[in-house]
Amino acid sequence: KQEVTQIPAALSVPEGENLVLNCSFTDSAIYNLQWFRQDPGKGLTSLLLIQSSQREQTSGRLNASLDKSSGRSTLYIAASQPGDSATYLCAVTTDSWGKLQFGAGTQVVVTP
Amino acid sequence: EAGVVQSPRYKIIEKKQPVAFWCNPISGHNTLYWYLQNLGQGPELLIRYENEEAVDDSQLPKDRFSAERLKGVDSTLKIQPAELGDSAVYLCASSPGLAPSTDTQYFGPGTRLTVL
Repeated sequence: KQEVTQIPAALSVPEGENLVLNCSFTDSAIYNLQWFRQDPGKGLTSLLLIQSSQREQTSGRLNASLDKSSGRSTLYIAASQPGDSATYLCAVTTDSWGKLQFGAGTQVVVTP
Repeated sequence: EAGVVQSPRYKIIEKKQPVAFWCNPISGHNTLYWYLQNLGQGPELLIRYENEEAVDDSQLPKDRFSAERLKGVDSTLKIQPAELGDSAVYLCASSPGLAPSTDTQYFGPGTRLTVL
């Protein structure tokens, strides 16, 4: 059974520092990996999607890497801002119908 | 482009009462998902639809939960009767459905259910 783990569960950094969020999964047979952002009381917003054949994806200040063989992904957020405060979840797609298996998330607080 | 719409946003009921949640996916999206999210956890899939067909309902507690997607557009998730442990956020998501394994899923804001 696929298990997705995110460490740490919570993280607080001062504004301007780079953020590094980790995600690990136990079964390397995935279709892709996605990083989502969730703000309090709101749904999830997809940030980056990395197909299983890719090693990384970039969007603005965000960069995500994928090492499928070791079951790891890392999300980097450069020069963090208070507006980056949110919970970040990673999820792997485990079958052809798009079933997502989520981690519990990392709650990030960026202090001014 | 309008996003995924869910209603109500909040619902408080007493245990043993019925409750229903409604979802309107993004126009043209063939695949629709219902997830349950407990506090401090990631969402867990309950059921997914390809058009009006439920292609995976293996994680839906069928003794009290039911779902339908009439005409392959809007969907309703129902709980009857509700239990205290059903308190959670119920999220709806949709994707284009052209290639579900690679599509991005778009999530609605969720319905926060509190069972007293």
